[in-house]
Amino acid sequence: QVQLQESGPGLVKPSDTLSLTCTVSGGSISDYYWSWMRLPPGKGLEWIGYIHYSGSTSYSPSLQSRVTISVDTSKNQFSLSLSSVTAADTAVYYCARRITSGGYYRDDSWGQGTLVTVSS
Amino acid sequence: DIQLTQSPSSLSASVGDRVTITCQASQSISGYLNWYQQKPGKAPNLLISAASILQSGVPSRFGGSGSGTDFTLTINNLQPEDFATYYCQQSHSLPLTFGGGTKVEIK
Repeated sequence: QVQLQESGPGLVKPSDTLSLTCTVSGGSISDYYWSWMRLPPGKGLEWIGYIHYSGSTSYSPSLQSRVTISVDTSKNQFSLSLSSVTAADTAVYYCARRITSGGYYRDDSWGQGTLVTVSS
Repeated sequence: DIQLTQSPSSLSASVGDRVTITCQASQSISGYLNWYQQKPGKAPNLLISAASILQSGVPSRFGGSGSGTDFTLTINNLQPEDFATYYCQQSHSLPLTFGGGTKVEIK
């Protein structure tokens, strides 16, 4: 059973860069795609982007200019970097595994989430 | 971008009720729709993929249907553990998008 765990600072200053890492255990990162999503307080889920273990990525157009997702297969980890953060980036951030069968993709395993607050 | 409109945004129901949540896409997404359940302080849990495929371990009282632009999540015989927020997600095209969520509360 694959498990995912987010880690990183819970408090980031405005205009700084938010950096989170997702550690995958119970399975190899060298398969599938790996996603980042977030849940702002009082709002709905938002897709940030995903990465294939080969390194190919796709990002939300609304965040593309500020986001980078990378993968480290040797550590079984993938990471999120979001630059120039504002209070609007305050959210619970989730990493997830993205799988497919017959071309139907879904995020089937999620980390527990980590709250990141943007504040001075 | 494909917009997903969920309705209602919230509902109150009793244990044993049948609940129906709809998700309407702004354009056809064939059957590329997933449903997730999220409880407060917990990660989302995948219930249904490809519009109607129940995930392993998900109780059979959950069901999904639809194709094209109109989709439905049905919960039969609502149980106390089903009180949560439900989201639809389209995987037809990028950017991936979620519906706004439906909060199911206890009446």
